[in-house]
Amino acid sequence: EVLLVESGGGLVQPGGSLRLSCAASGFTFSSYEMNWVRQAPGKGLEWLSYISTSSKTIYYADSVKGRFTISRDNAKNSVFLQMDSLRAEDTALYYCVRRFCPSTDCWLDHWGQGTPVTVSS
Amino acid sequence: EIVLTQSPDFQSVTPKENVTITCRASQSIGGSLYWYQQKPQQSPKLLSKNASHSFSGVPSRFSGSGFGTDFTLTINSLEAEDAATYYCHQSSSFPYTFGQGTKVEIK
Repeated sequence: EVLLVESGGGLVQPGGSLRLSCAASGFTFSSYEMNWVRQAPGKGLEWLSYISTSSKTIYYADSVKGRFTISRDNAKNSVFLQMDSLRAEDTALYYCVRRFCPSTDCWLDHWGQGTPVTVSS
Repeated sequence: EIVLTQSPDFQSVTPKENVTITCRASQSIGGSLYWYQQKPQQSPKLLSKNASHSFSGVPSRFSGSGFGTDFTLTINSLEAEDAATYYCHQSSSFPYTFGQGTKVEIK
């Protein structure tokens, strides 16, 4: 069974930092690209970042570019999101999401349960 | 950035009715449009792509169609357990984007 378990969320002051982790199991982690998606309270889904299997290719949403850094450790089956210069509008539930590419088509197939981040003084 | 616009934003439906949700992309995305179902306090669940692909474990009453810029999710004979918010998502190009969501309520 594919499992993605996020951790590291919490309450942080504006301007502060947090590092989210996502532990993967039930599949060959090093063969899959990973993403982070967030959902603000009562709002829709917002894609944040993508990392390729080798970490050579990385993309960010404009809303987090320059403040958030995605990384992965294939030996530890984990993907991370370093969040710096946090703002109130970063308050959300953060999901770790696997990307599946059986052919030229790719989709986000498995989601974790999310870890909550609250940015407030 | 590709903008996805869903309609309607909200729909109140009687069980056994059919439901149609549309998603329009601001530019052509081929067939790279997916639908997710999110129930309260749960993570999104992959539901459907276009008519050429179905996902295991998803009831056959859910079906997707469309290509290019116009897409549709159809729920045939709605069941009470289908009360949820539905999102379309494009994986044609980065940055990935989602529609704003359509909340389906059961009357």
